[in-house]
Amino acid sequence: AQRVTQPEKLLSVFKGAPVELKCNYSYSGSPELFWYVQYSRQRLQLLLRHISRESIKGFTADLNKGETSFHLKKPFAQEEDSAMYYCALSAQGGSEKLVFGKGTKLTVNP
Amino acid sequence: DVKVTQSSRYLVKRTGEKVFLECVQDMDHENMFWYRQDPGLGLRLIYFSYDVKMKEKGDIPEGYSVSREKKERFSLILESASTNQTSMYLCASSYSISPLHFGNGTRLTVT
Repeated sequence: AQRVTQPEKLLSVFKGAPVELKCNYSYSGSPELFWYVQYSRQRLQLLLRHISRESIKGFTADLNKGETSFHLKKPFAQEEDSAMYYCALSAQGGSEKLVFGKGTKLTVNP
Repeated sequence: DVKVTQSSRYLVKRTGEKVFLECVQDMDHENMFWYRQDPGLGLRLIYFSYDVKMKEKGDIPEGYSVSREKKERFSLILESASTNQTSMYLCASSYSISPLHFGNGTRLTVT
C-alpha cells in the first residue's frame, strides 16, 4: 500500500533562512509525487510536481528513489511562505487516488 | 481558470440528520473527489468518481455515500450525521492525469 510520511507537524524558521520540508514515501512501483500548499483562508493548490522539474516560488523538490524521499526546499524563506504543506503520491501516474501526508505547518518568522 | 465550487462554506447539523454536500466544477473534468481534512490526519479520500454514475470507495467511505448524475456535479451524502463526521470537507476535480483542483471547502459541524 502507498504511504506518505511527513515527519514534522510544525516547522518554524526565520525569514531569509533555508527551509526543508521532509517527505518520505512507501511504494514499490514508480510513483508520481506532488507538493500541495494551503495558505491561510485559501484553497489547497498545487505547488509543484516532480515530473515538471521546475521551481515554483523559489521552491524545488527532488525525487530520491534510493531514499524514497521528495523533500521540499527553499534557500531563503519568506514570510509569505507561511502555510500548510502537503506531500502527495499517485501510484497510477496521475492525479487519481492521491495519497496525502498529514501535512507540515510552516511558519516563517520576521 | 478552473473553478470548483462547494455550495456551503459552513454547515451546522444535528446528529442523525441527512446531510448533502454539493460540489460543482466548470471545466468538464472527468474525475471528481471528496476528501476530509482533519488536523494531524491530513487529507483522507472518502469517495471518487471517474465518470457520470460511476463511483469508487476511497480510504474512509463508511458513513458516506455519493452521487454523480451529471458530469459537473458530485454530491457527498451523510445518511445519518454523527459527531465524528465534524470536519472540513474538500471537493476536487481533475482531467486525466492533470493535478487536482480543489474547492474552498465546507466546514461541517455535527452537534
